[in-house]
Amino acid sequence: KAGVTQTPRYLIKTRGQQVTLSCSPISGHRSVSWYQQTPGQGLQFLFEYFSETQRNKGNFPGRFSGRQFSNSRSEMNVSTLELGDSALYLCASSLVGYNEQFFGPGTRLTVL
Amino acid sequence: KNEVEQSPQNLTAQEGEFITINCSYSVGISALHWLQQHPGGGIVSLFMLSSGKKKHGRLIATINIQEKHSSLHITASHPRDSAVYICAVLSTDSWGKLQFGAGTQVVVTP
Repeated sequence: KAGVTQTPRYLIKTRGQQVTLSCSPISGHRSVSWYQQTPGQGLQFLFEYFSETQRNKGNFPGRFSGRQFSNSRSEMNVSTLELGDSALYLCASSLVGYNEQFFGPGTRLTVL
Repeated sequence: KNEVEQSPQNLTAQEGEFITINCSYSVGISALHWLQQHPGGGIVSLFMLSSGKKKHGRLIATINIQEKHSSLHITASHPRDSAVYICAVLSTDSWGKLQFGAGTQVVVTP
């Protein structure tokens, strides 16, 4: 069974731009969670989607948004990028949200 | 104060030594994960626990729900075990939201 995939793996953007990251969960998994990892703040929860609905949201500004499609694939969008948004963005999938989570390889975003 | 605390922050061991990493949490949980992250690498789920003990190869994880404490043990440590180990909890009624400890950097020398 294929694991969680994320695209792209690396991105370089400039301040003010916007970016869209994609996550394809393990087949059969309907829950997708997104996390941000930075050296200063560690791993922090962004949001979780299940059956195209956002069920849970972390403490991030509205510039961070996401969505989930009917095939469970998920995207997250960051608008008006700031230098502090430079981070590793990880998605994780699970069957329904309270099962074991399996992580993708992450997207490394650098904002210049 | 972080709701998930790990200790130690850093650990150096010689090959073959027994390693223990501890995790304490202050919230009600439905499950606890132990995760591994190699330098520059992604995150791998080692265990998910909701009670008792699990073993996988040289790794053993235990959890005491009453005491809100979990431990990860590495027996007969090997240099390839060098990584950051992260404890993460899934709070009760918190869909898909893991809360993470700060991680323990483990270095195993030959």
